[in-house]
Amino acid sequence: NAGVMQNPRHLVRRRGQEARLRCSPMKGHSHVYWYRQLPEEGLKFMVYLQKENIIDESGMPKERFSAEFPKEGPSILRIQQVVRGDSAAYFCASSPTDSVNQPQHFGDGTRLSIL
Amino acid sequence: GQQVMQIPQYQHVQEGEDFTTYCNSSTTLSNIQWYKQRPGGHPVFLIQLVKSGEVKKQKRLTFQFGEAKKNSSLHITATQTTDVGTYFCATGTASKLTFGTGTRLQVTL
Repeated sequence: NAGVMQNPRHLVRRRGQEARLRCSPMKGHSHVYWYRQLPEEGLKFMVYLQKENIIDESGMPKERFSAEFPKEGPSILRIQQVVRGDSAAYFCASSPTDSVNQPQHFGDGTRLSIL
Repeated sequence: GQQVMQIPQYQHVQEGEDFTTYCNSSTTLSNIQWYKQRPGGHPVFLIQLVKSGEVKKQKRLTFQFGEAKKNSSLHITATQTTDVGTYFCATGTASKLTFGTGTRLQVTL
C-alpha cells in the first residue's frame, strides 16, 4: 500500500512566484490535513479538507494561501506571490476518519525554499 | 486554542542512558498521541493514549497519560543511536492535531 505521496520533495521559487504543492492521501483515506514546519519548530496546522470541501482552515494565512481537494486528483496547497517567510517544510497527512482518536499518516513533505 | 508544551527542548545522552520527555497542557486532553521525526524526515505515529492513567509499552519505550489527562510522558530505556530524532506529543480534535513543541534527542556513542 502506497503511503501519503507528496510532490515535489523540494521546490525553489523566487519571491513573487507561485508555489503549488500536491498531496495524494493513502488509499481509502478521505481526510487530508496540511501542516507547516519552520526550521527547528513543531508542526502547525493549516487546513483540513475532505473531498471537495474545506472543513477547517483556521490555520491558513488570510492572504495568498489556498487549498483544495477536488473530487478527482490530489489535494493542492497553493501559495501565491511567495515571500521569504514562506520558506518551510509543508507536510500533508491523511486519515480514514477525522482526527479524534485517530492517528494521521504523514507524507515526506515538500521543502519550499524562497530565493 | 489548545497549547501543548514539551520539556526539555533538547537532550543529549550517551548511548545506553535513559531519556524522558514530558508533555503538559493547562486543559484536559481527550487524547494524546506521540510521533517521532527523524532529521530530514516526516512525523511517524508511535502510539495513542486516551484513558486517564494509561500506560503503554513498546519495547524500550514507555508512554504514560496522567491521571488528570493534562500531561503525558515518553520514556526510553537504554537509548540507542537509532533513537535519534525529535519526539512530538500531539492532541487531536475532530479537525486537526495540535503538536507540542518537540524534544530533540541526540545520542552519542
